[in-house]
Amino acid sequence: QSVLTQPPSASGTPGQRVTISCSGSSSIIGSNYVYWYQQLPGAAPKLLIYRNNQRPSGVPDRFSGSKSATSASLAISGLRSEDEADYYCATWDDSLSAYWVFGGGTKLTVL
Amino acid sequence: QVQLVQSGAEVKKPGASVKVSCEASAYTFTGYYINWVRQAPGQGLEWMGWINPNSGVTKYAQKFQGRVTVTSDTSISTAYMEVTNLRSDDTALYYCARSLGYDREWDFWGQGTLVTVSS
Repeated sequence: QSVLTQPPSASGTPGQRVTISCSGSSSIIGSNYVYWYQQLPGAAPKLLIYRNNQRPSGVPDRFSGSKSATSASLAISGLRSEDEADYYCATWDDSLSAYWVFGGGTKLTVL
Repeated sequence: QVQLVQSGAEVKKPGASVKVSCEASAYTFTGYYINWVRQAPGQGLEWMGWINPNSGVTKYAQKFQGRVTVTSDTSISTAYMEVTNLRSDDTALYYCARSLGYDREWDFWGQGTLVTVSS
């Protein structure tokens, strides 16, 4: 049972906007930054969003992040076939027995 | 360009140990932490620990305390992660990734090292 909860799957058609949620307690999500990683099939994870809503250079602005007191969301607009991947949220907190925790991951299917 | 290159796949018997390396290039090795995370087949990501190569300070997830050791050799810009007393449920892809601080994003990752534990 992960400290961060994600839906196991999500789907959308090309061009659609999809959102993936990441929920946790207010003491974890509310007090810390949330990060998002994308893992394409057979590849290592890649940083997608850092500090709740910041995009590294090279990440398209179709990807955006947001956060409230107890949940974070990753939104992907203009869905493309190459967005089909697993997406993980993560946060860090020194009150946890594992300082870094990840959500269980969401498999995004582009129909 | 920044690269983290990990050592090759390993097959080990239960009870044995494994040491995975992560060689960094194209950046100042001592300026970034190295984190280790693993991914069991078909499963999610699990953080194991990190090292600050500049100071040698390490931190581990409670689950791995006493069984995992992370070290680094700054002369060759390489970090290592050793797991002892391997069990079948240690079979996983092991990744290293760098971060500017222990609480910062992991911006570059290694390609992963598959460790298979089987009798």
